[in-house]
Amino acid sequence: GENVEQHPSTLSVQEGDSAVIKCTYSDSASNYFPWYKQELGKRPQLIIDIRSNVGEKKDQRIAVTLNKTAKHFSLHITETQPEDSAVYFCAAPGGAQKLVFGQGTRLTINP
Amino acid sequence: SAVISQKPSRDICQRGTSLTIQCQVDSQVTMMFWYRQQPGQSLTLIATANQGSEATYESGFVIDKFPISRPNLTFSTLTVSNMSPEDSSIYLCSVDLGANTEAFFGQGTRLTVV
Repeated sequence: GENVEQHPSTLSVQEGDSAVIKCTYSDSASNYFPWYKQELGKRPQLIIDIRSNVGEKKDQRIAVTLNKTAKHFSLHITETQPEDSAVYFCAAPGGAQKLVFGQGTRLTINP
Repeated sequence: SAVISQKPSRDICQRGTSLTIQCQVDSQVTMMFWYRQQPGQSLTLIATANQGSEATYESGFVIDKFPISRPNLTFSTLTVSNMSPEDSSIYLCSVDLGANTEAFFGQGTRLTVV
C-alpha cells in the first residue's frame, strides 16, 4: 500500500520568510495530493491540493509542487504570518477513497 | 462541501468501560472514515464504514475493539470498547464527496481513559 513520508517534523521560521515542507510517496499510481492544516485543538482543513496532471498549483501565498518522477511533492508558504503557525499534513490516496497521511510538520512562525 | 457534527467533543472514561462516538453529516455520503490521532501524532485510519455492509478495518484495528455502525447514508457511530489508558486519543470521523476530493472532518472527540 501507499507510504507517505513527511519532513521536517518541526519547522521554525521568521515572520515574512518562506517555509517549505516536503513529502515523498511510494505508489507511482497515486494521482491526488492534498495538504491539510490543523490548528491547535481544531479539525484538519484542506488548504491546497494538486492532481498528477499538473506540476504546480498556487493559491495566494501557498503553492504546491509535484515531481511525479521522483515521487515527491512540496508545500511552499511565502511571506509567512503568525496565523500560519499550525501542524501541516500531506496525504496521498491509499486505495478505496482512503487517504494516507504523512507524519505532520509543526510550523512555528516567530515574530 | 460537507458539514459533520461529531459528539461528544470530549469525555473522561473509566478503564474497562465503552464510549460511543457519533457523527452526523449534512448530506448523503457513500463512505465514512474513522481516524485516531494520538497526541502530537498523525491521523491513522481505523476503518471505513459503508452503509449496509460491515466496516473495513485497517491493520491493527479489530471489530471487537472498535465496533462501527452505519445505519444510513448520513450517520455513523464508533464505539471504543473495554477501554484502557492506551486508548486515550482524539477520534475523528471524515467524509469526502468522491474519490480524490477534499476530505471533511468532524471536530473530533478527545478521549481520556483513567
